[in-house]
Amino acid sequence: AQKITQTQPGMFVQEKEAVTLDCTYDTSDQSYGLFWYKQPSSGEMIFLIYQGSYDEQNATEGRYSLNFQKARKSANLVISASQLGDSAMYFCAMRESTNAGKSTFGDGTTLTVKP
Amino acid sequence: DVKVTQSSRYLVKRTGEKVFLECVQDMDHENMFWYRQDPGLGLRLIYFSYDVKMKEKGDIPEGYSVSREKKERFSLILESASTNQTSMYLCASSLEWLGLAGSVTDTQYFGPGTRLTVL
Repeated sequence: AQKITQTQPGMFVQEKEAVTLDCTYDTSDQSYGLFWYKQPSSGEMIFLIYQGSYDEQNATEGRYSLNFQKARKSANLVISASQLGDSAMYFCAMRESTNAGKSTFGDGTTLTVKP
Repeated sequence: DVKVTQSSRYLVKRTGEKVFLECVQDMDHENMFWYRQDPGLGLRLIYFSYDVKMKEKGDIPEGYSVSREKKERFSLILESASTNQTSMYLCASSLEWLGLAGSVTDTQYFGPGTRLTVL
C-alpha cells in the first residue's frame, strides 16, 4: 500500500486565489513527521513546511499552511494568494519512527498558476 | 541557511564507466541521503548515512555504493554505469535522527540535483 498518496497529478489555479494540494498518508506509528517540498523546473527540492504528529496546531509558514487532520490521516497544503512563481511540482513526504528514519515521498502534484 | 551542493548539474557517461557523484553540506548535519528521481516513480532512496563511515541501504541500492569519510561529504558511486541508471540524482542532508520521528530536525535539505545520462 502507498504510504503517501497525492491524488492530484495536476492542478490549475488563478493568480491571487488560494489552492489546496491533497496528501493522505498511512502509518501505524504514533510519532511521525510530515513535510511538503516544492520542486520548480530547475530541479531543486525546496522545503516549505513541517508538521509533527504531536503538534496540535496546524503549521503555517507565510503563505503556506498545512491542514493537518490526524484522524483522517491527511496533511493538505494550502497556498494562499497564489503567485506565478508558485508554478512547480509539490511533494508530500513522511518520516516515521519505525522506518529507521527513512522518508517516504508521494508522487507529486504539478501546480500551474494562471495569470 | 543550509547549503547542499552537488559536484555537477549535468553529467554524461558511457556504459561501464565508474561514476562518482559528490555531495557536500556546510551545516554540520549528521544525516545525508541519496535519492534518484524518475518520471512516474517519484523519489526513491538509494542510500543514507547517519554518521561518518556509517551507511544504510535504502529502497534501491543495487548497482550503487556510497562513501562517507568526512561528515560534510557523501559520495554516490556507480561502479559500472548502465543505461537504466540514467536519472536525476538528488542529495539531501538533515540535522540529526533523534530516534523518534516528529521533530523538525528531521527536515531534509536538498542539493540542486545531478542529471546523469548514461549512453
